[in-house]
Amino acid sequence: GENVEQHPSTLSVQEGDSAVIKCTYSDSASNYFPWYKQELGKRPQLIIDIRSNVGEKKDQRIAVTLNKTAKHFSLHITETQPEDSAVYFCAAQMNRDDKIIFGKGTRLHILP
Amino acid sequence: EPEVTQTPSHQVTQMGQEVILRCVPISNHLYFYWYRQILGQKVEFLVSFYNNEISEKSEIFDDQFSVERPDGSNFTLKIRSTKLEDSAMYFCASSVPISYEQYFGPGTRLTVT
Repeated sequence: GENVEQHPSTLSVQEGDSAVIKCTYSDSASNYFPWYKQELGKRPQLIIDIRSNVGEKKDQRIAVTLNKTAKHFSLHITETQPEDSAVYFCAAQMNRDDKIIFGKGTRLHILP
Repeated sequence: EPEVTQTPSHQVTQMGQEVILRCVPISNHLYFYWYRQILGQKVEFLVSFYNNEISEKSEIFDDQFSVERPDGSNFTLKIRSTKLEDSAMYFCASSVPISYEQYFGPGTRLTVT
């Protein structure tokens, strides 16, 4: 079955700097790659997603890139702010009604 | 904006007891899911449900687990005889056929003592 690897597990960046989180997936049949932000005790919140027919997508300070050949995808957060501190999960999904397979998460700390 | 709701927000139970976690998916959604998240770990798929039957289940979803859609609005997860290792946050999610996005509920924190 599909497996999603995510790194780093913890990331500390100075406020205003950029943060990059990287993931790989195992099953080339995966078509959809969402990213979630989770604050303590809360539900995972979808922040950006990318389909397999797209290489890059941007939404304000957040961007995601996908390399389907290498089965890599990454989240880039620019101009980080204190409220970006949270756990971020990458994930992969094959079809619209399929389960989501999550990575292990990255705890992002934004340092003042 | 419609949201998935879950009750209770926190459930404490003793080992061996049965628990039922309840979810109300978004009203026009047709696919329903349960996920769990052990504290500090990743979110793990348990089961998906469509057209009143299980579509897929994970290895975690053993005979102690069952799901039901008893009426047109609720979607429940039952754990027959809870174990300490069932302690986790349980998230319900729902989706529509035309979209990949799954909408997560706020979760039920289950504590088994």
